[in-house]
Amino acid sequence: QQPVQSPQAVILREGEDAVINCSSSKALYSVHWYRQKHGEAPVFLMILLKGGEQKGHDKISASFNEKKQQSSLYLTASQLSYSGTYFCGTEGRPKNQGGKLIFGQGTELSVKP
Amino acid sequence: NAGVTQTPKFRVLKTGQSMTLLCAQDMNHEYMYWYRQDPGMGLRLIHYSVGEGTTAKGEVPDGYNVSRLKKQNFLLGLESAAPSQTSVYFCASSYSGGRSNQPQHFGDGTRLSIL
Repeated sequence: QQPVQSPQAVILREGEDAVINCSSSKALYSVHWYRQKHGEAPVFLMILLKGGEQKGHDKISASFNEKKQQSSLYLTASQLSYSGTYFCGTEGRPKNQGGKLIFGQGTELSVKP
Repeated sequence: NAGVTQTPKFRVLKTGQSMTLLCAQDMNHEYMYWYRQDPGMGLRLIHYSVGEGTTAKGEVPDGYNVSRLKKQNFLLGLESAAPSQTSVYFCASSYSGGRSNQPQHFGDGTRLSIL
């Protein structure tokens, strides 16, 4: 079942912060985050495996709450280059062979000057 | 280092025609995937493969067939194209090693229109 992302879209000014949430109705083994710019391929940001885990990538970080089956992506001091559509991809428990993911519908982020 | 290469990049078909989309990766990855992307729907898994000679169904397999005769190639076939298959198709691959999950590496996509 497809995870639900919120919000569906967000508009920011440069330097502002944003949070994107990903919620699943199923128990999760891992959560992946990807960013896709218009007309391009999705690009990997990070993977979270353990409940409570947090990771960072420049000024973008994420957390994974295994008990709540949720993950959040935090974008701090946003830059114009952060614009794009963000997708979470979830792998349910038990871990499946092939590492296949179910992706959310995406959150469109626009950063304005 | 090319990564994941998809051919063709664009294609227009008439209803009922057939075609094959080719995905090639040069990273020696075991796992390969085909997705379709439609507005507001995110990425939906069509078929995937865990190794040479193996294939499995994903979320939306109907109307598509796949083959993985060589480790580096994963082919997606449409036997009788329908307008509902108009979409952007992405291929991805990932390494299978260890217990840790590995990121998926995506190709640039194929934009397919069925008239």
